[in-house]
Amino acid sequence: DAKTTQPTSMDCAEGRAANLPCNHSTISGNEYVYWYRQIHSQGPQYIIHGLKNNETNEMASLIITEDRKSSTLILPHATLRDTAVYYCIVRVEDSNYQLIWGAGTKLIIKP
Amino acid sequence: DVKVTQSSRYLVKRTGEKVFLECVQDMDHENMFWYRQDPGLGLRLIYFSYDVKMKEKGDIPEGYSVSREKKERFSLILESASTNQTSMYLCASSLSRGGYGYTFGSGTRLTVV
Repeated sequence: DAKTTQPTSMDCAEGRAANLPCNHSTISGNEYVYWYRQIHSQGPQYIIHGLKNNETNEMASLIITEDRKSSTLILPHATLRDTAVYYCIVRVEDSNYQLIWGAGTKLIIKP
Repeated sequence: DVKVTQSSRYLVKRTGEKVFLECVQDMDHENMFWYRQDPGLGLRLIYFSYDVKMKEKGDIPEGYSVSREKKERFSLILESASTNQTSMYLCASSLSRGGYGYTFGSGTRLTVV
């Protein structure tokens, strides 16, 4: 599976859009991009995933560049409850390959 | 909402004890997973199961075993607990073999003394 690179930490003001970048320059054509987050003292929570088109759900939007070498998770109106570690993971969709969890980005939403 | 329930939030056990961590999911998911999470090491997969009575080793199976007798229940067993197994243990389930839609439990913080 391709490796991902994320910033260690980021701040965002409450009510503003939080934009979390992820680099995956070695991604292959059949690998999807997945985003999870982990709020303190809880298990990780699935957010969104995509292959090459931009995706949006009730939690977030996922923007994948045309060359698919990077992506951005957007939380449109961040709240204090969005403070968490955000993980970007790349892997083949339908396989027995496990998810490889990196260190993620610690996002702190400030009032 | 899918719920994954882990039997204990906190657990303290003695070295050498046999420890059972239970996990139950209520959405008929085929796939279940056990991870441990340690500071600086992230989440590491211990065992997973894609079907009843089926199990596969993850990255760090040594010192652990699992049992899946029913679809909804996946148990992690520490045969002889050791202090280096002190950790946060997380159970997860998913409907597909893809990487999306994993649902995690709240975790069991196990301390081995």
